[in-house]
Amino acid sequence: IAGITQAPTSQILAAGRRMTLRCTQDMRHNAMYWYRQDLGLGLRLIHYSNTAGTTGKGEVPDGYSVSRANTDDFPLTLASAVPSQTSVYFCASSEGGRATDTQYFGPGTRLTVL
Amino acid sequence: GQNIDQPTEMTATEGAIVQINCTYQTSGFNGLFWYQQHAGEAPTFLSYNVLDGLEEKGRFSSFLSRSKGYSYLLLKELQMKDSASYLCAVRDSNYQLIWGAGTKLIIKP
Repeated sequence: IAGITQAPTSQILAAGRRMTLRCTQDMRHNAMYWYRQDLGLGLRLIHYSNTAGTTGKGEVPDGYSVSRANTDDFPLTLASAVPSQTSVYFCASSEGGRATDTQYFGPGTRLTVL
Repeated sequence: GQNIDQPTEMTATEGAIVQINCTYQTSGFNGLFWYQQHAGEAPTFLSYNVLDGLEEKGRFSSFLSRSKGYSYLLLKELQMKDSASYLCAVRDSNYQLIWGAGTKLIIKP
């Protein structure tokens, strides 16, 4: 069982380019999340999905979009990358629907926008 | 606004005990989580508290006081592999996790 996989592991991107970060989970979890982690700051929620077919905005959604066509996949798209989007991006998933709900994280994607 | 405070960095000695504190101010409270994150890796779940008191899990224990908006993570018999960042997160009234910036724990021989 792989858990959660993310691709690519790392990427250097020119400003203005479009980029999709991929996330796949095999735990049949209902809920999925995208976070960014920057030095000195806590994890910040970008977008989330409580179940396939639905998505919601987190704390820092501007410049990012997501889709949830099925249970397993939750891609994050940067339509036109800017240097401030340089960060480590983590995808997470959870069963959903309970207060004790625990989030499990993928290995992360390190993105540099030049 | 919502706020989670943790010390930025702590140093401890192998074999000793260390306590990492977390204070929070959030809109609502639906549980507090502790995660461990080794450098360059993903956060991994350590513990969950929703009621006041101490939860013990092997060498790690986590304490919660909801009236004080306070939690701590206690690590006993420290090992070199415990060198990592420890993240405190609170689930708010919208059931979203609000994260602290993390405490980097350095273990010295």
